[in-house]
Amino acid sequence: EAGVTQFPSHSVIEKGQTVTLRCDPISGHDNLYWYRRVMGKEIKFLLHFVKESKQDESGMPNNRFLAERTGGTYSTLKVQPAELEDSGVYFCASSQVLRHEQYFGPGTRLTVT
Amino acid sequence: AQSVTQPDIHITVSEGASLELRCNYSYGATPYLFWYVQSPGQGLQLLLKYFSGDTLVQGIKGFEAEFKRSQSSFNLRKPSVHWSDAAEYFCAVGTGNQFYFGTGTSLTVIP
Repeated sequence: EAGVTQFPSHSVIEKGQTVTLRCDPISGHDNLYWYRRVMGKEIKFLLHFVKESKQDESGMPNNRFLAERTGGTYSTLKVQPAELEDSGVYFCASSQVLRHEQYFGPGTRLTVT
Repeated sequence: AQSVTQPDIHITVSEGASLELRCNYSYGATPYLFWYVQSPGQGLQLLLKYFSGDTLVQGIKGFEAEFKRSQSSFNLRKPSVHWSDAAEYFCAVGTGNQFYFGTGTSLTVIP
């Protein structure tokens, strides 16, 4: 069974540009989560989808971040326009309904210069 | 508010030595507790989890962790460390909706 995959693995962009990160969850997992780790800090929750619906987006830093999950399969996280403080590693995780363990992808390392 | 503290940012141990990584949490209800490991270039891999029952839980790769409610702790242990255990370790508290992570402990294993 394939795990959670994320694309790209690395992205380097200039301040003001747009970047879109993609996450493909484990097949059959209705729950999808986005997290972010800024260097030296803890991994922080961004938002949670159940199928295509946003269940909780309380962790989204500001309106420059837009997450979508059309059709309840893969998800995208767009940052527009990117700022220097957006640099970090963005993790995606998925889980089955009513199961507490989350399965994480390898992360996308975003560097904004 | 929920929080997780991993007081050791970096630990160095000799191969074959025992290991204990500390984790303390703050959570109002009975916690779901997890330890994840991240090797270079890899994603977060689940080592073990505690939901209820026996407070000593066994995980993969020879790791175990003990839940101590009185101390709000969930420390990770391994009796004999292997060079391949060098990685970053994260403790997490799970609510129904999201995880709260510690800042991680980086483990270096010396021959």
